[in-house]
Amino acid sequence: ILNVEQSPQSLHVQEGDSTNFTCSFPSSNFYALHWYRWETAKSPEALFVMTLNGDEKKKGRISATLNTKEGYSYLYIKGSQPEDSATYLCAFNAGGSYIPTFGRGTSLIVHP
Amino acid sequence: NAGVMQNPRHLVRRRGQEARLRCSPMKGHSHVYWYRQLPEEGLKFMVYLQKENIIDESGMPKERFSAEFPKEGPSILRIQQVVRGDSAAYFCASSNTESNEQFFGPGTRLTVL
Repeated sequence: ILNVEQSPQSLHVQEGDSTNFTCSFPSSNFYALHWYRWETAKSPEALFVMTLNGDEKKKGRISATLNTKEGYSYLYIKGSQPEDSATYLCAFNAGGSYIPTFGRGTSLIVHP
Repeated sequence: NAGVMQNPRHLVRRRGQEARLRCSPMKGHSHVYWYRQLPEEGLKFMVYLQKENIIDESGMPKERFSAEFPKEGPSILRIQQVVRGDSAAYFCASSNTESNEQFFGPGTRLTVL
């Protein structure tokens, strides 16, 4: 059983704040790490796929980093907006497997 | 270019009935994955299929659950003799053969009375 942990479980921030949260995964047999954004009553939407140690990806105000040697990835949101409110999921693929293991997500609420 | 489609979006069944959940992958995608989200839990993998083949069903309960992805038509997740514990959101995702990036459908919320 692969252990994928996300922290914190939930986060409340004010509009304009920058924030970040963590995904921890096994540091051996790494293949890929995915970040998804999941709004209530919608389907998970892919944000990033990361495969190389040291990868940094950016999409607008959202960015992510990857450290496969120590088994963690950070997701950063700069200048949070209320529309950023969602659950952010990470998913880990081991050893070329097509089957990802999902974390339980970080629920972000941005207050106007 | 339609995304992954699932129907129905909401399904209510009484204990003992059968539930059939459908998933049409994105155009050009031949890999389908089913996940279940139980209340207060994360997404749990159930089964991975390609056309006419079950590739990995390690996450499927041993009894009452089955899945198929026929040559023509949508993938079907079938739950026989449903029980209250089957109440959950069931999500389908698809990918193409060259990438393991998965695209999710909107889910089917099953309620067993």
